[in-house]
Amino acid sequence: DVKVTQSSRYLVKRTGEKVFLECVQDMDHENMFWYRQDPGLGLRLIYFSYDVKMKEKGDIPEGYSVSREKKERFSLILESASTNQTSMYLCASSFHNEQFFGPGTRLTVL
Amino acid sequence: GENVEQHPSTLSVQEGDSAVIKCTYSDSASNYFPWYKQELGKGPQLIIDIRSNVGEKKDQRIAVTLNKTAKHFSLHITETQPEDSAVYFCAAPYSGGSNYKLTFGKGTLLTVNP
Repeated sequence: DVKVTQSSRYLVKRTGEKVFLECVQDMDHENMFWYRQDPGLGLRLIYFSYDVKMKEKGDIPEGYSVSREKKERFSLILESASTNQTSMYLCASSFHNEQFFGPGTRLTVL
Repeated sequence: GENVEQHPSTLSVQEGDSAVIKCTYSDSASNYFPWYKQELGKGPQLIIDIRSNVGEKKDQRIAVTLNKTAKHFSLHITETQPEDSAVYFCAAPYSGGSNYKLTFGKGTLLTVNP
């Protein structure tokens, strides 16, 4: 059974804190994604990685960075969290077309 | 990049009725159109997809139709059941040829009333 796990389901952080969101997949997939989900805005791509140490910006990369040191792990980093980064964050992985999503991390920045 | 519009944003039906969700896309080079279902508290999951070489695909109570000329595709759910209640997302390739990255529609909240 394929699995994408995210380190936390809920997270509360303070403005200015550095935040790490971790995602791990056990399917040996090349591609991994970070999305942000907000009401009325759907899923918006933040960053995409197609191999270890390789990354591409998505539609809304500002304020975020990513790290992929190992094939199975893709981390999203908020260098200095702000209140407008309060959102649901979804990680996904894929080998070809179908994307497999994790359960999401609901981040609140106070 | 691709632009995907999805309608309606909310849809309420009675159990047993049909539900239809429509999406339009902008890039005529797009050739792969998936639909994802997101249940409460879970990540989206692929339920059906269609490629541009066919006009319709069915899987039990769900079907997807594609009109390449008009650049729109639709999800049809027949004999709806309460467990069909969820948010549905359509998607298209982020930019023409590559199918690895997707652009998603804004989602449709489907409520099936018993």
